[in-house]
Amino acid sequence: DAGVTQSPTHLIKTRGQQVTLRCSPKSGHDTVSWYQQALGQGPQFIFQYYEEEERQRGNFPDRYSGHQFPNYSSELNVNALLLGDSALYLCASIALDRSSYNEQFFGPGTRLTVL
Amino acid sequence: GDSVTQMEGPVTLSEEAFLTINCTYTATGYPSLFWYVQYPGEGLQLLLKATKADDKGSNKGFEATYRKETTSFHLEKGSVQVSDSAVYFCALSDRVPPSYGKLTFGQGTILTVHP
Repeated sequence: DAGVTQSPTHLIKTRGQQVTLRCSPKSGHDTVSWYQQALGQGPQFIFQYYEEEERQRGNFPDRYSGHQFPNYSSELNVNALLLGDSALYLCASIALDRSSYNEQFFGPGTRLTVL
Repeated sequence: GDSVTQMEGPVTLSEEAFLTINCTYTATGYPSLFWYVQYPGEGLQLLLKATKADDKGSNKGFEATYRKETTSFHLEKGSVQVSDSAVYFCALSDRVPPSYGKLTFGQGTILTVHP
């Protein structure tokens, strides 16, 4: 059983560009959350997708947007990149309606560097 | 809003020493509590969890007890090994919509264990 997978592993962009990160959830999971982990910090919640809709959102600007596909996979898009967007982006999945406790499984992350 | 505070790091110990990493939280509801571990270059792994007051989560020799009266969830291990060197994150998650599945993390504590 494959766990949560993310692509690409690493990415280098320049300021002002746009980036798309991808995530496939663990088998049987229907909900995907995205987190940003700046160097030396704990992960910060960006947003959560369930049934192809954004269900919750953290304190991130509209430059951050996402999408969930019918197969439950998800994309994170960031427009007009800033130096401060450099971070490890983590995807997590959960079976929202079937779990008796909200354990999430994390992918290995995508390291984004903005120059 | 919800928040998690971990003890300042980094923590450096000799092998077989006793480990305590303090964690306190603030939450409006009745959250589930977690400890996650992040090994170098990897994503987050769930170490242990507790879902109600006085529950003790345990895994791989690590333990933490959900203390509602002191809003704490301190991580302990009786005898650390070099392989325990990693970053440890305390986290909470609300158990009811709309915040279900959203994790709030502490800033992380770096643990280094020397032979």
